[in-house]
Amino acid sequence: NAGVTQTPKFQVLKTGQSMTLQCAQDMNHNSMYWYRQDPGMGLRLIYYSASEGTTDKGEVPNGYNVSRLNKREFSLRLESAAPSQTSVYFCASSLGDSTAFFGQGTRLTVV
Amino acid sequence: QKEVEQNSGPLSVPEGAIASLNCTYSDRGSQSFFWYRQYSGKSPELIMFIYSNGDKEDGRFTAQLNKASQYVSLLIRDSQPSDSATYLCAVRGLYGGATNKLIFGTGTLLAVQP
Repeated sequence: NAGVTQTPKFQVLKTGQSMTLQCAQDMNHNSMYWYRQDPGMGLRLIYYSASEGTTDKGEVPNGYNVSRLNKREFSLRLESAAPSQTSVYFCASSLGDSTAFFGQGTRLTVV
Repeated sequence: QKEVEQNSGPLSVPEGAIASLNCTYSDRGSQSFFWYRQYSGKSPELIMFIYSNGDKEDGRFTAQLNKASQYVSLLIRDSQPSDSATYLCAVRGLYGGATNKLIFGTGTLLAVQP
C-alpha cells in the first residue's frame, strides 16, 4: 500500500527552467493538496483540488499551475522557476474533509 | 494575521512532564481540527483530530477544542525524548473560498529533555 507517492524526491533547477512535480495516491481519495514548507513558515497551501476536475488557489499560488489529471494524480508545474521557489514541496490527499495523508516530499533548489 | 497561529517555540519540557501546545484560528466557521507531528526531514503524520467542543483522549495525547474562543490545544502526558518534534496545528475551513481548505499553523518545536 503506497499511499501518496511524489516524484522526484530531489531536484535542482536553474532560474527560468520549468518542471512538473508529480503526485499520485492509491487510497481512492477525492481531495488532493500541494503545500510548500519553508523554515519558520509552516506548511503553506499552494493549490488544492476538492474533486476530479476542480482546482482552487490556496495561500501562495503565484508562480505555480496545477492539473488534476484524474482521481489519482495531481501535478504541480513551475513554468519559470525562481530562487524564491526553493522549498520542500508536499503533496497530500484526503477523503473529503477527513484526515489528510502526506507524501514523502520533494526538496527543490533553484539556483 | 495568519489564519492559524501557533507559538513557534522551542517549548522545552523535562522527560515525564506534560507538554501543552496551543493553536488559535481565525475562521469561526471551521469544523475540523488536526494535530500533526513532523520529525526533522520527514513528512507530517497525524496524531489526532477533533471535531466537537471539549476533550478527546488517545493514549498519552489529549486534544482540547473551544470553538467559542477559536482555540485548540494538544496535551502530551509523560513526555518522552522521542516526542521531540515539530507539532503542526491544522484547521479545515472555507477561508474565503468555495470549498474547505486545510490550513496549517507554523508549528511549535517541542524539545523533551532527558
